Amino acid sequence: GAGVSQTPSNKVTEKGKYVELRCDPISGHTALYWYRQSLGQGPEFLIYFQGTGAADDSGLPNDRFFAVRPEGSVSTLKIQRTERGDSAVYLCASSLGAGPNYGYTFGSGTRLTVV
Amino acid sequence: KNQVEQSPQSLIILEGKNCTLQCNYTVSPFSNLRWYKQDTGRGPVSLTIMTFSENTKSNGRYTATLDADTKQSSLHITASQLSDSASYICVVIFGTALIFGKGTTLSVSS
Repeated sequence: GAGVSQTPSNKVTEKGKYVELRCDPISGHTALYWYRQSLGQGPEFLIYFQGTGAADDSGLPNDRFFAVRPEGSVSTLKIQRTERGDSAVYLCASSLGAGPNYGYTFGSGTRLTVV
Repeated sequence: KNQVEQSPQSLIILEGKNCTLQCNYTVSPFSNLRWYKQDTGRGPVSLTIMTFSENTKSNGRYTATLDADTKQSSLHITASQLSDSASYICVVIFGTALIFGKGTTLSVSS
């Protein structure tokens, strides 16, 4: 596609439920990043994929968070047993590669609200 | 700890006026520094990219400066427009990592 697509754009879920957030990167982009952005804050790193593998998952806050990218394109961020503190905008970015020589394109994010 | 600090946290200016946003970083070594604009409900969009050897980079009415010695960068917006109202985020690239500041929220009023 022309840009990074994230679905859904908004998700409201009850505390304790399971949610999946989807990111469809720009075609051909091998690097894919997930970030979490709370109100009034900058994006915080969660996980980075190079192809199908998670090259760096050091930003995932705990084992309730998990992300996959089975075919090296679409990625899904999965959150189990959601808590109110998980409420935030989840941003996805993709790039042709990772590092300073590459441009990063962000999606518009998924706004997750846990009630 | 690698950090990126921005100031002011928020700013209100009149349409047509200029403004300057500040970014201080402690990331070392760093590869390059970028300024992003984030409209409400949208993802960040790149405005400028500077390597450590560049002092200034312009993109239309946006001019970014970088002082690698003092680890400071600024984003100057000239002749502001209502559409400039957004959050401006300073990002330092460190290897494959993007380290974000918290952003400055700019409101341009008529």
